[in-house]
Amino acid sequence: GNSVTQMEGPVTLSEEAFLTINCTYTATGYPSLFWYVQYPGEGLQLLLKATKADDKGSNKGFEATYRKETTSFHLEKGSVQVSDSAVYFCALSDRGAGRRALTFGSGTRLQVQP
Amino acid sequence: DVKVTQSSRYLVKRTGEKVFLECVQDMDHENMFWYRQDPGLGLRLIYFSYDVKMKEKGDIPEGYSVSREKKERFSLILESASTNQTSMYLCASTPGLSNNEQFFGPGTRLTVL
Repeated sequence: GNSVTQMEGPVTLSEEAFLTINCTYTATGYPSLFWYVQYPGEGLQLLLKATKADDKGSNKGFEATYRKETTSFHLEKGSVQVSDSAVYFCALSDRGAGRRALTFGSGTRLQVQP
Repeated sequence: DVKVTQSSRYLVKRTGEKVFLECVQDMDHENMFWYRQDPGLGLRLIYFSYDVKMKEKGDIPEGYSVSREKKERFSLILESASTNQTSMYLCASTPGLSNNEQFFGPGTRLTVL
């Protein structure tokens, strides 16, 4: 079956530090990959996505590249801000496997200190 | 913009009560989903629906049921609430057949005493 593994949190960084949150996946088909962000007290919102191998998704200074050879989709940002403090979820969608829902990782909490 | 709304942000119920969580989306999406979110476990799929009156079990359907009488509305029902159903419940919707993103509501934090 499908699964998504994320690094454990919390990740605590100082403002302007470089961020990497690791995500690896297992899928039976050809998944699309997503990063969602959840700010305190809110639902999830899409941060970026990639639909095929070697695609790079980017938004708000965040980037992630779909690496089929390493089955990874690591999230990166060059300079984090306090406002980036949130929980980040890696997810995959594998319609080719007949599953309509997303499969989520456990989430990684990011805390950015001024 | 797609909007997914949930009937309550916070809800407190007693063990054994019947609980209804409502979700409405305004973009004519075919697919709607209910997840629960627990610390360290991420989001787990409870039920989903791909059409009016159609439903399928997700990964953790025990203790829950759903209803989809209209395309825009998807209800989650806890027939007899228990303390282990204390959680954050998230509704989502997505259009059509492709690998599209899901659009989420703000969540309902349910506490069962």
